[in-house]
Amino acid sequence: NAGVTQTPKFRVLKTGQSMTLLCAQDMNHEYMYWYRQDPGMGLRLIHYSVGEGTTAKGEVPDGYNVSRLKKQNFLLGLESAAPSQTSVYFCASSPLASGGIKAKNIQYFGAGTRLSVL
Amino acid sequence: AQKVTQAQTEISVVEKEDVTLDCVYETRDTTYYLFWYKQPPSGELVFLIRRNSFDEQNEISGRYSWNFQKSTSSFNFTITASQVVDSAVYFCALSEVANSGYALNFGKGTSLLVTP
Repeated sequence: NAGVTQTPKFRVLKTGQSMTLLCAQDMNHEYMYWYRQDPGMGLRLIHYSVGEGTTAKGEVPDGYNVSRLKKQNFLLGLESAAPSQTSVYFCASSPLASGGIKAKNIQYFGAGTRLSVL
Repeated sequence: AQKVTQAQTEISVVEKEDVTLDCVYETRDTTYYLFWYKQPPSGELVFLIRRNSFDEQNEISGRYSWNFQKSTSSFNFTITASQVVDSAVYFCALSEVANSGYALNFGKGTSLLVTP
Protein backbone atom coordinates (compact mmCIF):
# COMPACT_ATOMS: atom_id res chain seq x y z
CA ASN A 1 0.00 0.00 0.00
CA ALA A 2 1.82 3.08 -1.25
CA GLY A 3 -0.80 5.63 -0.11
CA VAL A 4 0.64 9.11 -0.58
CA THR A 5 4.15 9.32 -2.00
CA GLN A 6 6.23 12.48 -2.06
CA THR A 7 9.28 13.01 -4.25
CA PRO A 8 11.99 13.98 -3.41
CA LYS A 9 12.48 13.39 0.32
CA PHE A 10 15.26 15.95 0.66
CA ARG A 11 16.50 18.81 -1.47
CA VAL A 12 18.91 21.70 -1.13
CA LEU A 13 18.44 24.69 -3.43
CA LYS A 14 20.26 27.93 -3.96
CA THR A 15 18.29 31.16 -3.84
CA GLY A 16 16.63 31.78 -7.19
CA GLN A 17 16.60 28.18 -8.35
CA SER A 18 13.36 26.46 -9.27
CA MET A 19 12.05 23.02 -8.48
CA THR A 20 8.92 20.91 -8.47
CA LEU A 21 7.73 18.68 -5.67
CA LEU A 22 5.66 15.72 -6.74
CA CYS A 23 2.84 14.16 -4.77
CA ALA A 24 1.22 10.95 -5.98
CA GLN A 25 -1.66 9.09 -4.37
CA ASP A 26 -3.04 5.69 -5.32
CA MET A 27 -6.28 5.83 -3.33
CA ASN A 28 -8.40 7.53 -6.01
CA HIS A 29 -8.95 10.50 -3.70
CA GLU A 30 -10.60 13.64 -5.02
CA TYR A 31 -9.04 16.14 -2.65
CA MET A 32 -5.35 16.91 -2.42
CA TYR A 33 -3.43 19.45 -0.36
CA TRP A 34 0.01 20.94 0.12
CA TYR A 35 1.06 22.12 3.58
CA ARG A 36 4.28 23.50 4.93
CA GLN A 37 5.55 22.90 8.46
CA ASP A 38 7.83 25.37 10.18
CA PRO A 39 9.15 25.11 13.74
CA GLY A 40 6.57 26.25 16.27
CA MET A 41 4.02 27.02 13.54
CA GLY A 42 2.16 23.80 13.02
CA LEU A 43 1.16 23.04 9.44
CA ARG A 44 -0.16 25.73 7.13
CA LEU A 45 -2.08 25.23 3.91
CA ILE A 46 -0.34 26.39 0.73
CA HIS A 47 -2.68 25.25 -2.04
CA TYR A 48 -5.34 22.65 -2.45
CA SER A 49 -7.33 20.88 -5.15
CA VAL A 50 -10.86 19.53 -5.04
CA GLY A 51 -10.51 17.58 -8.26
CA GLU A 52 -8.55 17.04 -11.45
CA GLY A 53 -7.87 20.30 -13.24
CA THR A 54 -8.86 22.53 -10.31
CA THR A 55 -6.64 24.26 -7.77
CA ALA A 56 -7.10 27.01 -5.20
CA LYS A 57 -4.99 29.10 -2.85
CA GLY A 58 -4.66 28.35 0.81
CA GLU A 59 -3.30 30.39 3.70
CA VAL A 60 0.27 30.89 2.45
CA PRO A 61 0.31 30.61 -1.37
CA ASP A 62 2.83 33.33 -2.28
CA GLY A 63 5.88 32.04 -4.14
CA TYR A 64 4.27 28.72 -5.04
CA ASN A 65 2.30 27.35 -7.96
CA VAL A 66 0.47 24.07 -8.30
CA SER A 67 -1.02 21.86 -10.96
CA ARG A 68 -3.38 18.87 -10.93
CA LEU A 69 -3.38 17.57 -14.48
CA LYS A 70 -4.04 14.01 -13.36
CA LYS A 71 -6.26 12.98 -10.48
CA GLN A 72 -3.51 11.02 -8.77
CA ASN A 73 -0.82 13.73 -8.95
CA PHE A 74 -0.51 17.14 -7.33
CA LEU A 75 2.61 19.15 -8.16
CA LEU A 76 3.99 22.03 -6.11
CA GLY A 77 6.35 24.40 -7.91
CA LEU A 78 8.79 26.97 -6.62
CA GLU A 79 9.71 29.28 -9.50
CA SER A 80 12.41 31.24 -7.68
CA ALA A 81 13.28 29.75 -4.33
CA ALA A 82 13.90 32.01 -1.35
CA PRO A 83 15.40 31.21 2.07
CA SER A 84 11.95 31.83 3.60
CA GLN A 85 10.76 28.73 1.76
CA THR A 86 13.05 26.51 3.78
CA SER A 87 10.56 24.15 5.38
CA VAL A 88 9.16 20.65 5.49
CA TYR A 89 6.45 20.18 2.89
CA PHE A 90 3.63 17.71 3.33
CA CYS A 91 1.15 16.52 0.78
CA ALA A 92 -2.17 15.02 1.81
CA SER A 93 -5.18 13.51 0.12
CA SER A 94 -8.70 12.70 1.21
CA PRO A 95 -11.75 11.11 -0.36
CA LEU A 96 -14.66 13.19 -1.58
CA ALA A 97 -16.70 14.48 1.32
CA SER A 98 -20.29 13.43 0.82
CA GLY A 99 -21.64 15.98 3.21
CA GLY A 100 -23.48 15.58 6.47
CA ILE A 101 -22.18 13.70 9.46
CA LYS A 102 -21.03 10.75 7.38
CA ALA A 103 -18.49 12.71 5.37
CA LYS A 104 -15.20 10.92 5.02
CA ASN A 105 -12.69 13.74 5.04
CA ILE A 106 -9.79 12.13 6.82
CA GLN A 107 -6.56 13.34 5.30
CA TYR A 108 -3.73 10.93 4.65
CA PHE A 109 -0.27 12.42 4.58
CA GLY A 110 2.90 11.69 2.69
CA ALA A 111 6.22 11.33 4.49
CA GLY A 112 7.23 14.91 3.77
CA THR A 113 9.92 16.70 1.76
CA ARG A 114 12.62 18.56 3.64
CA LEU A 115 13.71 21.57 1.59
CA SER A 116 16.56 23.91 2.39
CA VAL A 117 17.11 27.09 0.41
CA LEU A 118 20.55 28.63 0.85
CA ALA B 1 -6.63 34.54 13.95
CA GLN B 2 -5.60 31.15 15.23
CA LYS B 3 -8.56 28.81 14.95
CA VAL B 4 -6.99 26.02 16.95
CA THR B 5 -5.08 26.70 20.12
CA GLN B 6 -2.85 24.19 21.82
CA ALA B 7 -1.66 26.13 24.82
CA GLN B 8 0.82 23.50 25.98
CA THR B 9 3.99 23.79 23.92
CA GLU B 10 5.91 21.04 25.67
CA ILE B 11 4.98 18.44 28.27
CA SER B 12 7.34 16.07 30.01
CA VAL B 13 6.10 13.10 32.03
CA VAL B 14 7.52 9.96 33.50
CA GLU B 15 6.44 6.65 32.05
CA LYS B 16 3.10 5.33 33.37
CA GLU B 17 1.82 8.78 34.23
CA ASP B 18 -1.44 9.97 32.67
CA VAL B 19 -1.24 13.08 30.52
CA THR B 20 -3.87 15.32 28.94
CA LEU B 21 -3.24 17.45 25.88
CA ASP B 22 -5.52 20.44 25.56
CA CYS B 23 -7.11 21.74 22.38
CA VAL B 24 -9.44 24.72 22.05
CA TYR B 25 -10.96 25.65 18.72
CA GLU B 26 -12.90 28.51 17.22
CA THR B 27 -15.48 28.30 14.45
CA ARG B 28 -18.78 29.82 13.39
CA ASP B 29 -19.84 26.74 11.47
CA THR B 30 -22.42 24.37 12.92
CA THR B 31 -20.91 21.45 11.01
CA TYR B 32 -17.20 20.89 11.46
CA TYR B 33 -14.69 18.17 12.19
CA LEU B 34 -11.93 17.88 14.73
CA PHE B 35 -8.86 15.73 14.42
CA TRP B 36 -5.80 14.62 16.32
CA TYR B 37 -2.60 13.66 14.51
CA LYS B 38 0.61 12.29 15.95
CA GLN B 39 4.03 13.17 14.57
CA PRO B 40 6.73 10.87 15.99
CA PRO B 41 10.42 11.77 15.74
CA SER B 42 10.55 10.04 12.35
CA GLY B 43 8.44 12.90 11.00
CA GLU B 44 5.39 11.31 9.44
CA LEU B 45 1.88 12.39 10.39
CA VAL B 46 -0.30 9.66 11.80
CA PHE B 47 -4.07 10.06 11.99
CA LEU B 48 -5.47 9.27 15.44
CA ILE B 49 -9.10 10.34 15.52
CA ARG B 50 -11.80 12.36 13.78
CA ARG B 51 -14.88 13.72 15.54
CA ASN B 52 -17.75 15.57 13.88
CA SER B 53 -19.60 18.42 15.54
CA PHE B 54 -22.80 16.43 15.96
CA ASP B 55 -21.19 13.72 18.03
CA GLU B 56 -20.17 14.77 21.51
CA GLN B 57 -19.64 11.26 22.80
CA ASN B 58 -16.28 10.71 24.36
CA GLU B 59 -14.18 8.02 22.77
CA ILE B 60 -11.70 5.55 24.15
CA SER B 61 -9.23 3.55 22.13
CA GLY B 62 -6.88 1.52 24.25
CA ARG B 63 -4.81 3.94 26.31
CA TYR B 64 -6.11 6.92 24.34
CA SER B 65 -9.29 8.84 25.12
CA TRP B 66 -10.82 12.01 23.79
CA ASN B 67 -13.17 14.45 25.50
CA PHE B 68 -15.17 16.66 23.12
CA GLN B 69 -17.14 19.50 24.73
CA LYS B 70 -18.92 21.94 22.44
CA SER B 71 -19.89 24.15 25.37
CA THR B 72 -16.23 25.01 25.95
CA SER B 73 -15.06 24.47 22.33
CA SER B 74 -12.54 21.94 23.51
CA PHE B 75 -11.34 18.58 22.23
CA ASN B 76 -8.86 17.24 24.75
CA PHE B 77 -6.75 14.12 24.38
CA THR B 78 -5.69 11.93 27.28
CA ILE B 79 -3.04 9.23 27.26
CA THR B 80 -3.36 6.82 30.15
CA ALA B 81 -0.29 5.06 31.51
CA SER B 82 2.04 6.82 29.08
CA GLN B 83 4.87 4.94 27.41
CA VAL B 84 8.15 6.08 25.91
CA VAL B 85 6.76 5.31 22.44
CA ASP B 86 4.15 8.01 23.01
CA SER B 87 6.87 10.63 22.75
CA ALA B 88 5.90 12.76 19.76
CA VAL B 89 4.37 16.02 18.69
CA TYR B 90 0.60 15.93 18.77
CA PHE B 91 -1.49 18.18 16.59
CA CYS B 92 -5.12 19.10 16.98
CA ALA B 93 -6.83 20.27 13.78
CA LEU B 94 -10.16 21.73 12.68
CA SER B 95 -11.90 21.18 9.34
CA GLU B 96 -14.75 23.48 8.43
CA VAL B 97 -17.22 22.32 5.81
CA ALA B 98 -17.33 25.49 3.76
CA ASN B 99 -13.67 26.37 3.98
CA SER B 100 -10.82 25.47 1.60
CA GLY B 101 -12.06 22.09 0.52
CA TYR B 102 -12.16 20.69 4.04
CA ALA B 103 -8.52 21.62 4.57
CA LEU B 104 -7.17 21.29 8.08
CA ASN B 105 -6.42 24.21 10.36
CA PHE B 106 -3.71 22.93 12.64
CA GLY B 107 -2.77 24.04 16.10
CA LYS B 108 0.91 24.62 16.71
CA GLY B 109 1.29 21.26 18.35
CA THR B 110 2.23 19.93 21.76
CA SER B 111 5.53 18.15 22.12
CA LEU B 112 5.22 15.25 24.55
CA LEU B 113 8.29 13.66 26.06
CA VAL B 114 7.84 10.47 28.05
CA THR B 115 10.91 9.43 30.00
CA PRO B 116 11.56 6.01 31.53
